[in-house]
Amino acid sequence: AQSVTQLGSHVSVSEGALVLLRCNYSSSVPPYLFWYVQYPNQGLQLLLKYTSAATLVKGINGFEAEFKKSETSFHLTKPSAHMSDAAEYFCAVSEPGAGSYQLTFGKGTKLSVIP
Amino acid sequence: NAGVTQTPKFRVLKTGQSMTLLCAQDMNHEYMYWYRQDPGMGLRLIHYSVGEGTTAKGEVPDGYNVSRLKKQNFLLGLESAAPSQTSVYFCASSYSTIWTTGTGYYNEQFFGPGTRLTVL
Repeated sequence: AQSVTQLGSHVSVSEGALVLLRCNYSSSVPPYLFWYVQYPNQGLQLLLKYTSAATLVKGINGFEAEFKKSETSFHLTKPSAHMSDAAEYFCAVSEPGAGSYQLTFGKGTKLSVIP
Repeated sequence: NAGVTQTPKFRVLKTGQSMTLLCAQDMNHEYMYWYRQDPGMGLRLIHYSVGEGTTAKGEVPDGYNVSRLKKQNFLLGLESAAPSQTSVYFCASSYSTIWTTGTGYYNEQFFGPGTRLTVL
């Protein structure tokens, strides 16, 4: 069974500082991985996805994530935080195959950006 | 395109009352999902549907029923609401699968704005 662990339920960074949100997965096969963002009182929006092509994936709003098989990780980074990045971020995993429609989500990391 | 829409946006129920949440999508997606989101728990799958007329249980199905009579709509019903069902409910939809070179299919889900339900 697949699972996702997000380290840190709440992360605070200063505006302009590096953002690093951690995600580790457990899967019986090389998975597909996703990062979603949820702004206050809104639904989830896809930031980026890893689908077994390049291991470094670039997403929207300057975010990127690197798939590291040896570490079973898919950490999300952004070089310079902006106030508008304050949101909750969810990592999700699915296993490739014809039945790969089910996503398993992590518990989320709330990012605060301090001016 | 409106994408995925949910009605209502907010609702307050008394214990034992019933209600139906409506999800609609205009992207011609085959698959639809209902999740609930609770603080510190992430999103948990309640029920899902892989096509018109078909539904299946997810991780937390107890106390809920669903129906998919039309491809574009997915209804979530609470027959007898309980305080433990106080939550934010999200609907999502996706194509059945998207082929990618290499290992095969993956899934990308599109989410609605949510319904905040309080059961007193």
